[in-house]
Amino acid sequence: AQKVTQAQTEISVVEKEDVTLDCVYETRDTTYYLFWYKQPPSGELVFLIRRNSFDEQNEISGRYSWNFQKSTSSFNFTITASQVVDSAVYFCALASGSARQLTFGSGTQLTVLP
Amino acid sequence: EADIYQTPRYLVIGTGKKITLECSQTMGHDKMYWYQQDPGMELHLIHYSYGVNSTEKGDLSSESTVSRIRTEHFPLTLESARPSHTSQYLCASSEYSATYEQYFGPGTRLTVT
Repeated sequence: AQKVTQAQTEISVVEKEDVTLDCVYETRDTTYYLFWYKQPPSGELVFLIRRNSFDEQNEISGRYSWNFQKSTSSFNFTITASQVVDSAVYFCALASGSARQLTFGSGTQLTVLP
Repeated sequence: EADIYQTPRYLVIGTGKKITLECSQTMGHDKMYWYQQDPGMELHLIHYSYGVNSTEKGDLSSESTVSRIRTEHFPLTLESARPSHTSQYLCASSEYSATYEQYFGPGTRLTVT
């Protein structure tokens, strides 16, 4: 069985602060894929990143960075110098190599205050 | 940017009515999905399709039904709406399997009174 845990239900930061969103996953498969999606107040989910289980390199894209650690089954997401427009619900998701569907975490509501 | 559309965006309807939520994508993706999401909660897969004339039920049991007669179109139907069906419904598509990124539509917020 697959499971994704996002223990932080809500986080509030002040603009320009750095913030890290935690994601812990469980799977018995050796091949799997991890994702982060952003859901702004408008409702649609926006794809941010996909990583496979064989690539543990951290990734940076502008103010966004992701830290994948298989030893702790974590795939954390950091926003540097947060902005008000970053306010959204962020979902972590998992698909095993043979999966026919994604398993989503419960999401973290991030509020960036001006 | 993904080209996936859902209509209506908002729907308020009385109990017992039949409704169809529309979802269309112009990317030629074979894989399409329907998720149900309560406000502030996680997404649950209720239906998916791997191509024309292929439909499967997801993890979350749902009284809705789907059809896939054309690649680009994946409508969801509730024969008799109930207040328990009040939720947001999100449609998604992907070019490959579920291990690849899915692109989501804007969602339909359904309220059954």
